[in-house]
Amino acid sequence: AQSVTQLGSHVSVSEGALVLLRCNYSSSVPPYLFWYVQYPNQGLQLLLKYTSAATLVKGINGFEAEFKKSETSFHLTKPSAHMSDAAEYFCAVSNFGNEKLTFGTGTRLTIIP
Amino acid sequence: NAGVTQTPKFRVLKTGQSMTLLCAQDMNHEYMYWYRQDPGMGLRLIHYSVGEGTTAKGEVPDGYNVSRLKKQNFLLGLESAAPSQTSVYFCASSYVVVGENEQFFGPGTRLTVL
Repeated sequence: AQSVTQLGSHVSVSEGALVLLRCNYSSSVPPYLFWYVQYPNQGLQLLLKYTSAATLVKGINGFEAEFKKSETSFHLTKPSAHMSDAAEYFCAVSNFGNEKLTFGTGTRLTIIP
Repeated sequence: NAGVTQTPKFRVLKTGQSMTLLCAQDMNHEYMYWYRQDPGMGLRLIHYSVGEGTTAKGEVPDGYNVSRLKKQNFLLGLESAAPSQTSVYFCASSYVVVGENEQFFGPGTRLTVL
């Protein structure tokens, strides 16, 4: 069985401040991990993914995430928030031989001008 | 390429009515999925397909049926709609890359059942 937990359903940061969105996973086998972003009234698009290569993964729009096996975490960060980052962010997990993704419940990011 | 498209974008039904949501992809993907998104619950998998002519149940399949007669299309049916099926429905598709499973999403269908 696999699952993800996203701590904080709502996060607010000031424009220019650090963005940190938390994701912890549970998986009995080595995981593949994903972050997706959903802008208002749109579908989900992939930000970045971890597939057992480098533990620090860089994605689009200046986001990155670090896989930490000891902490079972895959937190998403961005050094300086921009107004255009306001969206909902979903962490997801899969693993070898599994054709399905399991999503977290999402974190809505608000940027304060 | 259009990617993943969904028809219709919006729909209002009365309880007991039926409807079919259409998902189409032009990326030659083998896998296709239907999710529902509800506030505070993330995305939940309804049904999925690992190839033309195949379907399988996901996490919340009750009240829905699916068909994959053509590789590029995946249909989601509601035979007798209920207010609990008010939701936003997303279709997704992916390549056959075992485990990595990056999914590409459509824009969604907003369904209201009165």
